[in-house]
Order: sequence, then structure tokens, then C-alpha cells
Amino acid sequence: EAQVTQNPRYLITVTGKKLTVTCSQNMNHEYMSWYRQDPGLGLRQIYYSMNVEVTDKGDVPEGYKVSRKEKRNFPLILESPSPNQTSLYFCASSLGLAANEQFFGPGTRLTVL
Amino acid sequence: GEDVEQSLFLSVREGDSSVINCTYTDSSSTYLYWYKQEPGAGLQLLTYIFSNMDMKQDQRLTVLLNKKDKHLSLRIADTQTGDSAIYFCAEILTGANNLFFGTGTRLTVIP
Repeated sequence: EAQVTQNPRYLITVTGKKLTVTCSQNMNHEYMSWYRQDPGLGLRQIYYSMNVEVTDKGDVPEGYKVSRKEKRNFPLILESPSPNQTSLYFCASSLGLAANEQFFGPGTRLTVL
Repeated sequence: GEDVEQSLFLSVREGDSSVINCTYTDSSSTYLYWYKQEPGAGLQLLTYIFSNMDMKQDQRLTVLLNKKDKHLSLRIADTQTGDSAIYFCAEILTGANNLFFGTGTRLTVIP
């Protein structure tokens, strides 16, 4: 089944404790991205990747890192999480951008205490 | 950055038409999209329109684009309870490699 998977789905952590949210797709998509969803703000893009080893900042990259060592995986790293990073995070992938549909993962709800 | 605005809430009665509106500020959009988010799930693409089109119809969905006013709308005919969800508009700007999403409109369908 074609899908985007994220792990974990739920995470409660404390300020400053490094964490990684994994994202994997099995559709051989080149484009992958991370978004955060906050009430009243919609989805805001954190980082995106056009292909392996090619990543770029989105609208809200501060406090996050990503890597794209393989085509299928695009982990999101929070080196020192803070409470303002409490949010719902979505990973998405697509063949390209333009008219291509972005396939979204199920989301990761992160709470930073 | 680009601003994409939507009303936060919309309620309609089952069987009526719903119209969800979206305004944006940058006129260099190439593609504009409508995504649907059901409770507890990720987003799913409903439809998209290329910026040189004024209208696109797909079964119960009609997308209207007014480039002069920078206004995009999604009309859902014969709205059903299963249409209750959050709807996001999104756009890609010329030369950009990322999507800008709106704030989302929560549609509630009253039986």
C-alpha cells in the first residue's frame, strides 16, 4: 500500500531533550516536506527536500533540522525542543511539486513540557 | 511571506451547498489547491486548478478562481455529513519550491 508513515504518532517530552520524528514513504517520491499545524495558523512548512541530499528551509525552520540521506526517509530533528514547538507535525511527499498531489502522513502530536 | 487567509468556521445544513473562500496576496501563483483534513488524519488532495483557469468542476466540487481579486473558492454541492472536515487552500508561487497553506476552514454539516 502506498503510504507515508511517521513515528512516533504521539510524544510527550521535556525542554531540551533531543528528539527525532521519522518519516518514510514507499512511493519513490522525490519531494518531501515537513509541516506543523497550529490552531488558527493552518499548516506552515518547516523544511522541504527536492531530492536526496537537497534540503531547504520553509517558512518556520528555526529550532529544527532535517536530513535526506536516502530517497525514502526524511527525519525531523529537534536538537533542543522548547514548549513553543508543541504542535501537530505532518510529513508529506510527492513526485514533484506543481500539479502533483502531496501525500500526507498521519501526523505526530508533540508536547514539550 | 505569502498570506493565505480563510474564514475559520462554516456551518451548513445537509443537502445545501457550501462555499469555502480563500484569499491570497501574491499574484504569481501557478497552481492552487484544495485539501481536506478529516478528524485525526492527514490532508488529502481534493482538487487543484492551474492559474490560467477560471473554473474547474469535478462531480460535486466546483473551484472558482478570480485572479484579479486574488480569490479562490470551493463550492460543495449537496453537502453531506461526511463532508464535515477542515478544508485548506494552498498555492505554489512562480519559481518557488514550496506550498503556502491557508489557515483552514472547519466545515460543520448539520443533519
